[in-house]
Amino acid sequence: QKEVEQNSGPLSVPEGAIASLNCTYSDRGSQSFFWYRQYSGKSPELIMFIYSNGDKEDGRFTAQLNKASQYVSLLIRDSQPSDSATYLCAVNTGGFKTIFGAGTRLFVKA
Amino acid sequence: GAGVSQSPSNKVTEKGKDVELRCDPISGHTALYWYRQSLGQGLEFLIYFQGNSAPDKSGLPSDRFSAERTGGSVSTLTIQRTQQEDSAVYLCASSLGRSGNIQYFGAGTRLSVL
Repeated sequence: QKEVEQNSGPLSVPEGAIASLNCTYSDRGSQSFFWYRQYSGKSPELIMFIYSNGDKEDGRFTAQLNKASQYVSLLIRDSQPSDSATYLCAVNTGGFKTIFGAGTRLFVKA
Repeated sequence: GAGVSQSPSNKVTEKGKDVELRCDPISGHTALYWYRQSLGQGLEFLIYFQGNSAPDKSGLPSDRFSAERTGGSVSTLTIQRTQQEDSAVYLCASSLGRSGNIQYFGAGTRLSVL
């Protein structure tokens, strides 16, 4: 079992819809959770981070964390074509090492 | 500089040659990370530094790979006797020296081994 698992996609949603990206992790001691966006040919950039159970909202983005289920998700409301990218889930277990998932490719169709 | 700087941005080399990739982290960031990303794949952890020391080298693929960091700042990743399977984008990230801190990435070095 991989330490951080994501569906590779592609996930295709129409413009204006909600895109839901999911991630599961194996280490119950994980403490910090991150979502990065990576455009093709570019480096990852941070979208959201979440440390506590529940929801965290920032503009059109909402991160959801459920530590009991070892599950973290990212919702993108009112999806735009410019949101088309690969979204990487990253998990930190309390040390300095952060484990990245393989990423989910998102396509938002105009 | 304001962000993580990596050089060169692109490197083409012949199989068997040595290459050096450089990373200049964000000023004040004591933690520095190297990752490798092959085409269409996720990030593969290689090594991280806290200050000048490397507590975790577990991701280095072979003894042809080595890295150092001097002065708690610039880091160099060296690949000796390059192989075609070393072709990838090598990404560097830095963060404040506390557990769980956000990592900020450089633009990467695209290495092509012919």
